[in-house]
Amino acid sequence: ETGVTQSPTHLIKTRGQQVTLRCSSQSGHNTVSWYQQALGQGPQFIFQYYREEENGRGNFPPRFSGLQFPNYSSELNVNALELDDSALYLCASSLLGSGNTIYFGEGSWLTVV
Amino acid sequence: AQTVTQSQPEMSVQEAETVTLSCTYDTSESDYYLFWYKQPPSRQMILVIRQEAYKQQNATENRFSVNFQKAAKSFSLKISDSQLGDAAMYFCAYRRGIQGAQKLVFGQGTRLTINP
Repeated sequence: ETGVTQSPTHLIKTRGQQVTLRCSSQSGHNTVSWYQQALGQGPQFIFQYYREEENGRGNFPPRFSGLQFPNYSSELNVNALELDDSALYLCASSLLGSGNTIYFGEGSWLTVV
Repeated sequence: AQTVTQSQPEMSVQEAETVTLSCTYDTSESDYYLFWYKQPPSRQMILVIRQEAYKQQNATENRFSVNFQKAAKSFSLKISDSQLGDAAMYFCAYRRGIQGAQKLVFGQGTRLTINP
């Protein structure tokens, strides 16, 4: 049990639509990051938020955006969905610090049709 | 840019035997962390073991141990006395050692099957 919960578990969207995925971090964790994991691949870093501001981003276009709230919850928003956005989206939280453990949620499966 | 490579897409082992999963990485930095994560069908990434690059001693967690070869940029995971519950995808991951660097770079994963 990592204390990181995500919702929804599964969802199906149509190409061109927008989606919001939610994450509740462990209490006290001030850093949240999001990963995209395509089927059969390792997770790819999307971005990281620290104290409600984005402070690191992977190779993802601006239609991937996020929010972090003071109550340790966060959101990943994806606009103009494409078929290739179909993947497992993982939320991870930790205390900021190079040696601190990163805890993952169980992910949200997104299918774009 | 840092990269992580796992050259074994699948491995299988008999229950109670030992198996080693391979991982190599590429970085120009001297301060970093390496991890092995386990992802069972439940999809949740579970930390198995971690290694700080500045430590020469190989990390050990119960039946799990690593062989960290810094010069060769190799980081293998050994699972002793394999159990059915060890069956999962295993990912090797790298993280920079600087403050604020929470990004993990993952390998492609190795699917481990345990045969009863």
